[in-house]
Amino acid sequence: GAVVSQHPSWVICKSGTSVKIECRSLDFQATTMFWYRQFPKQSLMLMATSNEGSKATYEQGVEKDKFLINHASLTLSTLTVTSAHPEDSSFYICSARGQSGGEMDTEAFFGQGTRLTVV
Amino acid sequence: KNQVEQSPQSLIILEGKNCTLQCNYTVSPFSNLRWYKQDTGRGPVSLTIMTFSENTKSNGRYTATLDADTKQSSLHITASQLSDSASYICVVRGVGRAGKSTFGDGTTLTVKP
Repeated sequence: GAVVSQHPSWVICKSGTSVKIECRSLDFQATTMFWYRQFPKQSLMLMATSNEGSKATYEQGVEKDKFLINHASLTLSTLTVTSAHPEDSSFYICSARGQSGGEMDTEAFFGQGTRLTVV
Repeated sequence: KNQVEQSPQSLIILEGKNCTLQCNYTVSPFSNLRWYKQDTGRGPVSLTIMTFSENTKSNGRYTATLDADTKQSSLHITASQLSDSASYICVVRGVGRAGKSTFGDGTTLTVKP
């Protein structure tokens, strides 16, 4: 089955530094990738949608200059949290949608998530 | 505003028992409805995907039903196991390649021995 790999699974960083999270589709071409943020005991909240080769579309209230998204290839999207602060500490999850038919086209596959802790 | 509402918010059952989780939605028209299982600290894992024309879909001990007329879906878990303890999320996607997915808040299931 299709696999989406997210790296790292957890990261601790100092306040003011930047952190990059990678999301890779391992066995299909992901034309669209989605980045979510999840707080404890809450559901996923969509942050942005990235399409390969174009600028990401951010949801209302999400700072695009703080959460930089790059989707340079059909298998890789990155989320960079710039100048991280403790309030950025959260669980970040990506998902990928393919361009072929069937399940690949229905955004069924999520990465394992990245637990970011800013100290 | 498109919404996906799940019930109950949390549920505790004994190992071996069956349970049913509910999902009501207002997304219309919709492309597909998906149920996910999310273990604590992990990403969601797809259990079932149904289009509007499908009424039921099974995946092992998980069976999802869909009534597109009443905009209701359910996830039935049979012979529960301790490993079924997780959050179960219902997601409804709108129509078209640009269709957005609307997430329910999830049902937290705890299976006790």
